[in-house]
Amino acid sequence: DTAVSQTPKYLVTQMGNDKSIKCEQNLGHDTMYWYKQDSKKFLKIMFSYNNKELIINETVPNRFSPKSPDKAHLNLHINSLELGDSAVYFCASSQIFGDMNTEAFFGQGTRLTVV
Amino acid sequence: DQQVKQNSPSLSVQEGRISILNCDYTNSMFDYFLWYKKYPAEGPTFLISISSIKDKNEDGRFTVFLNKSAKHLSLHIVPSQPGDSAVYFCAGLNQGAQKLVFGQGTRLTINP
Repeated sequence: DTAVSQTPKYLVTQMGNDKSIKCEQNLGHDTMYWYKQDSKKFLKIMFSYNNKELIINETVPNRFSPKSPDKAHLNLHINSLELGDSAVYFCASSQIFGDMNTEAFFGQGTRLTVV
Repeated sequence: DQQVKQNSPSLSVQEGRISILNCDYTNSMFDYFLWYKKYPAEGPTFLISISSIKDKNEDGRFTVFLNKSAKHLSLHIVPSQPGDSAVYFCAGLNQGAQKLVFGQGTRLTINP
């Protein structure tokens, strides 16, 4: 019974295409995130949504557009894919980080390869 | 500007010995620090955390130490087991910004 699931697991596509990665969580969490793990292996936050509202938008090209139809889903749409977009993208969810040290739960990742 | 750094990309330890993974940070606004473990083709999973007002937190074989003056934390695993072989990520949590910032990870290999 997967807590955070993202699809697809692997995605190979040509430069210039538009693609989407879907994410769903069944934990009842309020907050969802997209992280990008780049070639240097850093996990960098891209977006954070709380109850369908954008609360964090790091310096990410506007070709990347997150969409949250409800608080259990946060999809990532990428327009005009570039070679440098190749990375592993992780979706995560958590309750709002309050006084308790709550952790984020991650999906298994989507390995995007742009050729 | 990397706020969380793990300067050792890899570490190899004999089974049964102690594994020590290190992490440095620059952001004084972090309220908590967390360690995540990641197996290949899986997402990171939470391991242990520590509040910025504490200097030690222990959970079974895992202990995290925090030295705020040095802006340094470490994860101790003892005794190390083969199943501990994974990539370990250190992360700092800024509650005000609702942001979890990760280091680049250290690959731990436990040798039988």
